[in-house]
Amino acid sequence: SQTIHQWPATLVQPVGSPLSLECTVEGTSNPNLYWYRQAAGRGLQLLFYSVGIGQISSEVPQNLSASRPQDRQFILSSKKLLLSDSGFYLCAWSERNYGYTFGSGTRLTVV
Amino acid sequence: KNEVEQSPQNLTAQEGEFITINCSYSVGISALHWLQQHPGGGIVSLFMLSSGKKKHGRLIATINIQEKHSSLHITASHPRDSAVYICASRNTDKLIFGTGTRLQVFP
Repeated sequence: SQTIHQWPATLVQPVGSPLSLECTVEGTSNPNLYWYRQAAGRGLQLLFYSVGIGQISSEVPQNLSASRPQDRQFILSSKKLLLSDSGFYLCAWSERNYGYTFGSGTRLTVV
Repeated sequence: KNEVEQSPQNLTAQEGEFITINCSYSVGISALHWLQQHPGGGIVSLFMLSSGKKKHGRLIATINIQEKHSSLHITASHPRDSAVYICASRNTDKLIFGTGTRLQVFP
């Protein structure tokens, strides 16, 4: 069966520090992978999506970047965090004509 | 630009009541998703539908493609149903999310 792992669950980081959130998928190959963010009191917003290794599309200009070094690994990074980067980050995967599966999320607080 | 609107934003109910949450979208889609987000933040996919109706336990989701409208119904609601319910339209491989409906069911 397909599963998705996302870590860490919570993270408190100082302003200006780097960030690396990792997401891995099991039980599928060549999935579409997504990073979403949910700011406090707001809906989910698509940050990045990837249809294959090394293929990253950015939806929103921001202080973040994403990479897909392996087929089932998706990484969200920042070189220097801003206060506005605080939020709830969700990784998800999908296959064509199939539903979405979401990771458990990472709650990031930048202090 | 596709927009997704949900109503109501907040909903309270007594245990046992029948619940309806509505979702409207503005452009043609390939599918519509209903998601459930618990207080801890984790999201569970409830339904993906492109036509008609789907049922899973006490949950029923319907969609009217012509009217660009979907509803999520919960029969015999229970306090454990308390969560945020989110609809999302799917066009190609991306989701556009509504802002969610916060449901609280009291015993």
